[in-house]
Amino acid sequence: LAKTTQPISMDSYEGQEVNITCSHNNIATNDYITWYQQFPSQGPRFIIQGYKTKVTNEVASLFIPADRKSSTLSLPRVSLSDTAVYYCLVGDQAGNNRKLIWGLGTSLAVNP
Amino acid sequence: GAVVSQHPSWVICKSGTSVKIECRSLDFQATTMFWYRQFPKQSLMLMATSNEGSKATYEQGVEKDKFLINHASLTLSTLTVTSAHPEDSSFYICSAIQETQYFGPGTRLLVL
Repeated sequence: LAKTTQPISMDSYEGQEVNITCSHNNIATNDYITWYQQFPSQGPRFIIQGYKTKVTNEVASLFIPADRKSSTLSLPRVSLSDTAVYYCLVGDQAGNNRKLIWGLGTSLAVNP
Repeated sequence: GAVVSQHPSWVICKSGTSVKIECRSLDFQATTMFWYRQFPKQSLMLMATSNEGSKATYEQGVEKDKFLINHASLTLSTLTVTSAHPEDSSFYICSAIQETQYFGPGTRLLVL
């Protein structure tokens, strides 16, 4: 089971770019990296998923170096509504739960 | 993305009663759904895997007779907390897979 390590918390300001890095030294060859966002009293929301190099969608980018032992979620120009907990998980593409370990995530606070 | 709903969004019950929580995949069929529990300031903990047409698979330490799971159709899984006690008060979240894992909005259970 691949374990991930993220900073417990981060602070930012509106309009800034936020980069959250996740370490996953034991990532397996067929593991994907998935990021979720969770607001208080809500279920996690899928943000982005990738396998290698760079993935970009309408809300974020995911950078994965060649060794895949870490990944960085990049949130461009954050707003107050981006204040949430962000989870990094590694597992198969479909999100087979038995391979996913949910850590405490990174609590991002966006300040005005 | 795919939409997963839960009902009710919150419930308060007396100790000793049973509570049923529904999880529905609204725009896709899900042969497998997952049930999580999340305590305040903690991460998600997988309770069980719900399989359509067969018995659920419970994680170690989760009492199958207390947390009854029924996955009677490809769009509905139910979790029944039997003889609920105050320590069962928590945030219950379900998820389903369509290419990746999508989560419901969660159900807040308070047992008095």
